[in-house]
Amino acid sequence: GQQLNQSPQSMFIQEGEDVSMNCTSSSIFNTWLWYKQDPGEGPVLLIALYKAGELTSNGRLTAQFGITRKDSFLNISASIPSDVGIYFCAGFTGGGNKLTFGTGTQLKVEL
Amino acid sequence: GAGVSQSPSNKVTEKGKDVELRCDPISGHTALYWYRQSLGQGLEFLIYFQGNSAPDKSGLPSDRFSAERTGGSVSTLTIQRTQQEDSAVYLCASSWAAYGYTFGSGTRLTVV
Repeated sequence: GQQLNQSPQSMFIQEGEDVSMNCTSSSIFNTWLWYKQDPGEGPVLLIALYKAGELTSNGRLTAQFGITRKDSFLNISASIPSDVGIYFCAGFTGGGNKLTFGTGTQLKVEL
Repeated sequence: GAGVSQSPSNKVTEKGKDVELRCDPISGHTALYWYRQSLGQGLEFLIYFQGNSAPDKSGLPSDRFSAERTGGSVSTLTIQRTQQEDSAVYLCASSWAAYGYTFGSGTRLTVV
């Protein structure tokens, strides 16, 4: 089945630093989504990307849908303590309605 | 309700027992999904319901797993003869369109 590989697996950064994580796939995706999961909660949608090459921002978050449709990245600028959590990429392929999720990037922010 | 509600939030069960996990989706959402998240892992698709169509069960790991959705609303995921490898967080999501997934907080299942 399709797999989404996320990197890095975990990050430990200083407050105020910028963060970058990415997601790659062996298959073409026609939608990319980025979610954040806090402990004990379900994932919450951060950004959705619908077109190859699309660059979208949501506050301090910026995400891009790769031209090849096989990758996406998420940037967080000026990280703050509440950015701590697990970030997942996810995508839809073809006409399907099932989301395939990446393995996650755990972000830890040091004050 | 305002969000997707799952119950119980935590469940500890003995190996070999059956368990039922409940999901109450957002009112008006026609699609409902179950995912499983093992410790430190991503989300694994289990089953998908869309309106009155036959469910997509392609992600169920074994015939011990089943799910139903009554009246197009509440869904129950049943695991029979639980095994220790079934221990995970079971997440439910609902949506009105392919891109509008809203997740519940999950049920943490521990099989001892």
